[in-house]
Amino acid sequence: GQSLEQPSEVTAVEGAIVQINCTYQTSGFYGLSWYQQHDGGAPTFLSYNALDGLEETGRFSSFLSRSDSYGYLLLQELQMKDSASYFCAYGNNRKLIWGLGTSLAVNP
Amino acid sequence: NAGVTQTPKFQVLKTGQSMTLQCAQDMNHNSMYWYRQDPGMGLRLIYYSASEGTTDKGEVPNGYNVSRLNKREFSLRLESAAPSQTSVYFCASSGQGANNEQFFGPGTRLTVL
Repeated sequence: GQSLEQPSEVTAVEGAIVQINCTYQTSGFYGLSWYQQHDGGAPTFLSYNALDGLEETGRFSSFLSRSDSYGYLLLQELQMKDSASYFCAYGNNRKLIWGLGTSLAVNP
Repeated sequence: NAGVTQTPKFQVLKTGQSMTLQCAQDMNHNSMYWYRQDPGMGLRLIYYSASEGTTDKGEVPNGYNVSRLNKREFSLRLESAAPSQTSVYFCASSGQGANNEQFFGPGTRLTVL
């Protein structure tokens, strides 16, 4: 079958580093994406990994290991505004298959 | 550019009523999507359109119909609304890139009484 698993909730403090893991199971895989969604808002694209390794975009980095069917999103220097839900998703035949999301709470 | 727009932003229906949610994008994207989002359920794909003139069912198509009116517009219709269709509905579009980056509209918050 097709599925993604990620933790439902993560809590961290301002200035810290947090890692949100995502494992997937699929017969066809074209890359792993990450989206951010603030309460009451729409999802917005953060990053995409097609190949193994680390992709860095400012304070956010995303990692993929295709052999382990595993990826993670790393958020550094956490700020209060990073409190949001984070979704991993993979592409399949022009549509995305989504995880259930990880709710990140950043505390002072 | 407005990106992806959706109307209405909020709607309250009674059971059995019908309505159409409108979505338009100005990014010349081929693919468009309709999702619903319920607490704790993530995003569930209702229908998608890979290109003008084609539509396909997603995970949860029952009770919905769609129309890809032209390249810009993709509408979602509830023929006979049920309380189980109370949800937030998002429209999204994407181009041909391998990363399938999707751009989302602001959402429609629908309550069915």
